[in-house]
Amino acid sequence: AQSVTQLGSHVSVSEGALVLLRCNYSSSVPPYLFWYVQYPNQGLQLLLKYTSAATLVKGINGFEAEFKKSETSFHLTKPSAHMSDAAEYFCAVSRAVMNRDDKIIFGKGTRLHILP
Amino acid sequence: EADIYQTPRYLVIGTGKKITLECSQTMGHDKMYWYQQDPGMELHLIHYSYGVNSTEKGDLSSESTVSRIRTEHFPLTLESARPSHTSQYLCASSMSGKTGELFFGEGSRLTVL
Repeated sequence: AQSVTQLGSHVSVSEGALVLLRCNYSSSVPPYLFWYVQYPNQGLQLLLKYTSAATLVKGINGFEAEFKKSETSFHLTKPSAHMSDAAEYFCAVSRAVMNRDDKIIFGKGTRLHILP
Repeated sequence: EADIYQTPRYLVIGTGKKITLECSQTMGHDKMYWYQQDPGMELHLIHYSYGVNSTEKGDLSSESTVSRIRTEHFPLTLESARPSHTSQYLCASSMSGKTGELFFGEGSRLTVL
């Protein structure tokens, strides 16, 4: 079975500071890993996706995430926070099954607050 | 921007009423999904479809039903709403071969009194 754990339901950072949102996964087979963002009163939007190519994945809006198999982690980072980054962020996992899609499992989300 | 639409965005109804949440996408995606989202909780998959006339129940048991008569349309129906059905319902779609790349609608927030 697969699962993801997001550490911290709320994270606050100052504008211009480093953003670090933590995600650990559990999977018995090689995983696909994702980060989604949800702005207030909107649906989720894909930020970035890891599919076993490069371990450092770059996404939209300056975000990136690094896949670390030894730590079973896929933390999301951004060097300098902007007020517009305030949102809820979801880590998700899916099985990497050859030639067949599989369901995606979401974490509970981390709400990012940006302090002026 | 994603071309997936949900109506209504907000709905407040009384117990026992029948409701249908509409979801349409114009991207030609073969797969569609309904998730239930509550504050501080994971998104729970309640229904999914891999194509026309294909529907499956998700991981979270739900009293709702769905249909997929047309590729672009995936409505969710509650025959008799109860306060326990109060939640946000998110519709999503994806294309086969694009694992995990879901496009979400803006959600339908349902309140049952």
